[in-house]
Amino acid sequence: AQSVAQPEDQVNVAEGNPLTVKCTYSVSGNPYLFWYVQYPNRGLQFLLKYITGDNLVKGSYGFEAEFNKSQTSFHLKKPSALVSDSALYFCAVRPFSFYGNNRLAFGKGNQVVVIP
Amino acid sequence: DTAVSQTPKYLVTQMGNDKSIKCEQNLGHDTMYWYKQDSKKFLKIMFSYNNKELIINETVPNRFSPKSPDKAHLNLHINSLELGDSAVYFCASSQPSTQKGGGLANRSYEQYFGPGTRLTVT
Repeated sequence: AQSVAQPEDQVNVAEGNPLTVKCTYSVSGNPYLFWYVQYPNRGLQFLLKYITGDNLVKGSYGFEAEFNKSQTSFHLKKPSALVSDSALYFCAVRPFSFYGNNRLAFGKGNQVVVIP
Repeated sequence: DTAVSQTPKYLVTQMGNDKSIKCEQNLGHDTMYWYKQDSKKFLKIMFSYNNKELIINETVPNRFSPKSPDKAHLNLHINSLELGDSAVYFCASSQPSTQKGGGLANRSYEQYFGPGTRLTVT
């Protein structure tokens, strides 16, 4: 079964500094990888995904993520964090499957706090 | 122009009651989901329907029964509510990830989430 690890509970970063949220995954075969963001009292919003192709994926709000197959990682990055980026970030994975369903396994989430 | 909507947003009820949460999407998606997010923010899938057909049914008490009258709606009915049912319930939708015989095969579509329903059982 697929799984995701987000090792840090909280990531603190000063405004304007680079932001990295870590994610490693375990899945049989090739993975489909996703990042979502959840603002307080809101639903999850899709940020970006990796399906195939370039390992560096660009998404919404200036975020990007790099797929590293050898390290089974998909870390989320932003070059310059904003206070408004403070939120809960979820990494998710599902395996490639010709016949199947879109069952995603979510990580436990990382709280990002951007300090003004 | 709400994409995925849920009603109600808040639901406070007593143990033993029966309640329903409604979900509607206007994105034209074929697949819909119910997730439960607990107090520690863990997100767990409960059910998934593709074009009104149940395709994911996780280990959920049978007090929970999803109903999909059409592919734009997926409602969640909960019987005999318990304290442990208190959580935030999210509905989501997406295009189907695969289609037999090719076509959409090998694609994986992102899921779009509703705003959530905070259920409190007292």
